[in-house]
Amino acid sequence: DVVLTQTPPTLSATIGQSVSISCRSSQSLLHSNGNTYLNWLLQRPGQPPQLLIYLVSRLESGVPNRFSGSGSGTDFTLKISGVEAEDLGVYYCVQSTHAPRTFGGGTKLELK
Amino acid sequence: EVQLVESGGGLVQPGSSLKLSCVASGFTFSSYNMHWIRQAPKKGLEWIALIYYDSSNKYYADSVKGRFTISRDNSKNTLYLEMNSLRSEDTAMYYCASRGFAYWGQGTLVTVSS
Repeated sequence: DVVLTQTPPTLSATIGQSVSISCRSSQSLLHSNGNTYLNWLLQRPGQPPQLLIYLVSRLESGVPNRFSGSGSGTDFTLKISGVEAEDLGVYYCVQSTHAPRTFGGGTKLELK
Repeated sequence: EVQLVESGGGLVQPGSSLKLSCVASGFTFSSYNMHWIRQAPKKGLEWIALIYYDSSNKYYADSVKGRFTISRDNSKNTLYLEMNSLRSEDTAMYYCASRGFAYWGQGTLVTVSS
């Protein structure tokens, strides 16, 4: 099974600071059809997760453009350019290239 | 408006069975693969099962393989998860999700305890 390793596990930031979260895969996430099925989710306290980024770098409708995704193969990054209070929560990467699907362990974004 | 509404959770004893449902609305249910994901208390997300839009393929996490069965009824816009031989480690919030994890329900809580 594909293992997704997220770092750091916890991130402390001030409002307005830019931060990055890494997601490394144990196998390439490049599908034979040429797509890379790596998504980023945010789970706010007490809520189900929300899709932020799909196919590595595509912004889901309604998601602010301070969120961006990049990467290829086995290394991926989520960047928040200017953290806002509503961004606090736990971020997860998830891959849909291989079965079974797998989630990263999560990165908790806290206020410093 | 897209909605996924899970139901069927509750408190059950170890070794018992439970069947969860997820009713979908606001999108073409029969066109999308569907997932079950769970989250143990204070833990991360764990993907547990996937069923293709036409039920042609099903996949399971090793942790539930042989005990849980995913199914769907496209005529009823409903996804199911039949859970047998439940263990204390199956205690979690269970979510259904679709469209590449863009759509999520609010979850239904399953507690396995004597």
